[in-house]
Amino acid sequence: AQSVTQPDIHITVSEGASLELRCNYSYGATPYLFWYVQSPGQGLQLLLKYFSGDTLVQGIKGFEAEFKRSQSSFNLRKPSVHWSDAAEYFCAVGAGNNNDMRFGAGTRLTVKP
Amino acid sequence: EAQVTQNPRYLITVTGKKLTVTCSQNMNHEYMSWYRQDPGLGLRQIYYSMNVEVTDKGDVPEGYKVSRKEKRNFPLILESPSPNQTSLYFCASSLKFQQGASEQYFGPGTRLTVT
Repeated sequence: AQSVTQPDIHITVSEGASLELRCNYSYGATPYLFWYVQSPGQGLQLLLKYFSGDTLVQGIKGFEAEFKRSQSSFNLRKPSVHWSDAAEYFCAVGAGNNNDMRFGAGTRLTVKP
Repeated sequence: EAQVTQNPRYLITVTGKKLTVTCSQNMNHEYMSWYRQDPGLGLRQIYYSMNVEVTDKGDVPEGYKVSRKEKRNFPLILESPSPNQTSLYFCASSLKFQQGASEQYFGPGTRLTVT
């Protein structure tokens, strides 16, 4: 079965600074990769997804992620963080049907003024 | 508005008192699922349903039951809650098999405390 590791439990960045959240996965075939964001008191919202094709995918709210097969990674990036980006971010990997979806433990992002 | 709703949003109960958390979606999705979220563990799947009257266990099904009598509803039942079931619960739904793995739509969560 596939698995996901988010190495950073908590990251703090200054508003306006760039952001990169790390995600590493383990899966033998081509994975289906997702990034979700959870704002305080809210459910999860999809930021972006990768199924195939261009390895750099654009998402909502100015986020992008790059799939690197050689590194088994799917890192999330944003060039300039806004205070409203403070939230918890989850990477997830699917393997062909939803009952094989696995979520990482999450990375909590704090944005300093 | 397309959405997944859960009720109640917050619940405090005592050990052994049966409870049901409701989940409903208005997107005509075939697939529905329940997750629990615990600090440091991310989301873990409890049960899922591929369609009406079709349910199966996820990774952490012990102590939970579900049913899928209608396409839109997928209630989570705790017959005899215990303190280790204190958690944040999410219901999710998606279209079935869209390019292999579909985007899931999540409800707002139910925070359950069992004392």
